[in-house]
Amino acid sequence: NAGVTQTPKFRILKIGQSMTLQCTQDMNHNYMYWYRQDPGMGLKLIYYSVGAGITDKGEVPNGYNVSRSTTEDFPLRLELAAPSQTSVYFCASRTTAGYEQYFGPGTRLTVT
Amino acid sequence: AQTVTQSQPEMSVQEAETVTLSCTYDTSENNYYLFWYKQPPSRQMILVIRQEAYKQQNATENRFSVNFQKAAKSFSLKISDSQLGDTAMYFCAFMKHHYAGGTSYGKLTFGQGTILTVHP
Repeated sequence: NAGVTQTPKFRILKIGQSMTLQCTQDMNHNYMYWYRQDPGMGLKLIYYSVGAGITDKGEVPNGYNVSRSTTEDFPLRLELAAPSQTSVYFCASRTTAGYEQYFGPGTRLTVT
Repeated sequence: AQTVTQSQPEMSVQEAETVTLSCTYDTSENNYYLFWYKQPPSRQMILVIRQEAYKQQNATENRFSVNFQKAAKSFSLKISDSQLGDTAMYFCAFMKHHYAGGTSYGKLTFGQGTILTVHP
């Protein structure tokens, strides 16, 4: 099993550009999450999903969109990138009955 | 809403010694889970230890143990026999199960983190 994979690892965007951060898990987990980690800070929840077709907002959803068409994939869309979205983005997943969230390696995004 | 506070931005310890990282949290829930995550320079988030709030016994995983004080809403991590590989950012995290229409969400709330440096 590859676990949770994220692409790309690094990306530089210009202000106003858009992009999609990819997240895939091969553990058949129903629950998936997107977090952002600003420098020197803890992770904050952007969006989460409890299964294909079901998503909901977390603490900091503004400027982002998600979709969940399959169990495996949970892409995060940034529209009109802003410097405030410069951060490291983590995707995570877990089983329905489990407690542990399995994290991907993260995507470092810089908006200039 | 839950909050998690780590009051020690940085800590350092000599190799083979013991260090304790502090965490406090605020919640009105009675049933929840607490975690310590380790984030080394590689950025990977690694679960170190977990504590269920309904359990009175403190969790232990090899050199890592917790002191869980439910009434005081305190959850500290003790690392014994510190090793150079323990150097990392450590995050305390809280999770309660949200039930809405029978669906559990299990969202994590993180503290700000403590940078731990182990010196040889």
